[in-house]
Amino acid sequence: AQSVTQLGSHVSVSEGALVLLRCNYSSSVPPYLFWYVQYPNQGLQLLLKYTTGATLVKGINGFEAEFKKSETSFHLTKPSAHMSDAAEYFCAVSGVHGSGNTGKLIFGQGTTLQVKP
Amino acid sequence: DGGITQSPKYLFRKEGQNVTLSCEQNLNHDAMYWYRQDPGQGLRLIYYSQIVNDFQKGDIAEGYSVSREKKESFPLTVTSAQKNPTAFYLCASSDYRTLSGANVLTFGAGSRLTVL
Repeated sequence: AQSVTQLGSHVSVSEGALVLLRCNYSSSVPPYLFWYVQYPNQGLQLLLKYTTGATLVKGINGFEAEFKKSETSFHLTKPSAHMSDAAEYFCAVSGVHGSGNTGKLIFGQGTTLQVKP
Repeated sequence: DGGITQSPKYLFRKEGQNVTLSCEQNLNHDAMYWYRQDPGQGLRLIYYSQIVNDFQKGDIAEGYSVSREKKESFPLTVTSAQKNPTAFYLCASSDYRTLSGANVLTFGAGSRLTVL
């Protein structure tokens, strides 16, 4: 079974400050990990994904995340927050499609990022 | 541009009525999904389909029905049996048969259903 826990439903930072959104997962198979962003009343947009290889993954809009197997974590960071980063962020996990695994995504509950001027 | 189109954007329904949400994709993706989003609960999978004329229940399928008669289309019907249908509904598609095996979902803009 797979699950995702996002620590903190709301995170508030000042513009220019470091953004850190936490995600921990559990998975009985090697995980694929994703971060999605959602702006109000819109669909989700992929920020970045980890499949295999390099554990530090760079995404769009200056975001990056590091896969730490020993900590079962996939935290999302951005060195300097911008007002336009205010949105809801979702971490998700899946297994490799095939061998009886449908590759369905399991989403965390989401973290709302507020950026203060 | 390729993408997913959901309609309507906003929908109001009286209790006891069935409503159908449309989802169309022109990405040539085999797999399509319906998620329900409620505040503080993330996204919960309602139904998914990996091939035409076949679909599977997700985690919260009760009170919902779907069809997959065409590759491009995956409509969701919210029936009167759904006890609390007011929510934001998201359709997604994916080409899960990628080289990496990663199932990257592309989402539509969503449909907000309100039961009066």
